[in-house]
Amino acid sequence: NAGVTQTPKFRILKIGQSMTLQCTQDMNHNYMYWYRQDPGMGLKLIYYSVGAGITDKGEVPNGYNVSRSTTEDFPLRLELAAPSQTSVYFCASTPLKLSNTEAFFGQGTRLTVV
Amino acid sequence: QQQVKQSPQSLIVQKGGISIINCAYENTAFDYFPWYQQFPGKGPALLIAIRPDVSEKKEGRFTISFNKSAKQFSLHIMDSQPGDSATYFCAARKDFNKFYFGSGTKLNVKP
Repeated sequence: NAGVTQTPKFRILKIGQSMTLQCTQDMNHNYMYWYRQDPGMGLKLIYYSVGAGITDKGEVPNGYNVSRSTTEDFPLRLELAAPSQTSVYFCASTPLKLSNTEAFFGQGTRLTVV
Repeated sequence: QQQVKQSPQSLIVQKGGISIINCAYENTAFDYFPWYQQFPGKGPALLIAIRPDVSEKKEGRFTISFNKSAKQFSLHIMDSQPGDSATYFCAARKDFNKFYFGSGTKLNVKP
């Protein structure tokens, strides 16, 4: 059982380049999320999706875009990479049920913008 | 603005001791409070969680204490072990399944 899979695991980008962080889950979860993790700052919500075709902004959406064409996939797009986007990015998913909800996280993508 | 405040930032405990991590929140719309454990190079994983209508929940060596009136909750790790060394995040949920995380506590349990 794969759970939540993120690719790539590591990436170095130059300022101004663009890239897509891939995320896929095989648990048929309705909700999917993108977080960034910076030292001493915890996890900040970038974007989330409550189902295919529906996305919404989180706490720190500037500089990012998302799409959700299928239940399984939730890619995160960086259009013009900036040093401030150097971070570890986590994708997560949760089922629709609201009680005792567990968020399942991928292993993360460590992105460095130079 | 941090919606969930977590302390301490780091914690060193001797093997067999009690580790205590505290979190506080302001928004009464939060309806579910999980704790996540993260090992280096891995994503966070759910450790234990509590709903605000319960004051305490215990699972093995891990206990959540919840004080609704004070808007505070804490994680207690009894008989701490070196294998518990990890970063711990408290979180709070509102608006269906939107989770807000604390800043994390790096726990080091000395053998």
